[in-house]
Amino acid sequence: AQSVTQLDSQVPVFEEAPVELRCNYSSSVSVYLFWYVQYPNQGLQLLLKYLSGSTLVKGINGFEAEFNKSQTSFHLRKPSVHISDTAEYFCAVILSGYSTLTFGKGTMLLVSP
Amino acid sequence: EAEVAQSPRYKITEKSQAVAFWCDPISGHATLYWYRQILGQGPELLVQFQDESVVDDSQLPKDRFSAERLKGVDSTLKIQPAELGDSAMYLCASSLRALAGGSYNEQFFGPGTRLTVL
Repeated sequence: AQSVTQLDSQVPVFEEAPVELRCNYSSSVSVYLFWYVQYPNQGLQLLLKYLSGSTLVKGINGFEAEFNKSQTSFHLRKPSVHISDTAEYFCAVILSGYSTLTFGKGTMLLVSP
Repeated sequence: EAEVAQSPRYKITEKSQAVAFWCDPISGHATLYWYRQILGQGPELLVQFQDESVVDDSQLPKDRFSAERLKGVDSTLKIQPAELGDSAMYLCASSLRALAGGSYNEQFFGPGTRLTVL
């Protein structure tokens, strides 16, 4: 079975600083990878996804992620964060050919002025 | 822009009571998902429908939880009786027919129902 590990439960950062949120997955077969953002008491919004092709994926709000098959990682990055980026971020995986999302436990990004 | 609707947004109940949550997916979406998100955790799939049929309910606690999607459109998730450990966010998501043509179809999430069991 597949699993997702988000190594940091909280990442504090100052406004305009760069940030990286780490995600590792385990699977013996091909996967699709996703990052979602969740603002307080709201549902999940898709930031970006990797299905195939270029390993560098660009998403909404200036976020990007790089799929690294050898490291089984899909880390999320943003070169300069804003206060409004404060939210919970979830990495998720789907086995190729299936439709069930498996989520990590989430990383809370805390952006301060 | 079409959205997944859920109601109520918040529900407080006492243990041993019955509760029900409603979800209206995006029009035309054949696949509907119910997830449970415990505080501090990622969402976990409870049940997946394709039209009116259940395709995966392996993680649904069937002794107290039930889900239906009678006409293949909106759906209801019920808990009876509620227990303290059921306090969580219940998220509904929908997508175009899962695995249509072998390609992935994005899941769109509703705002969720926050359940507190006292």
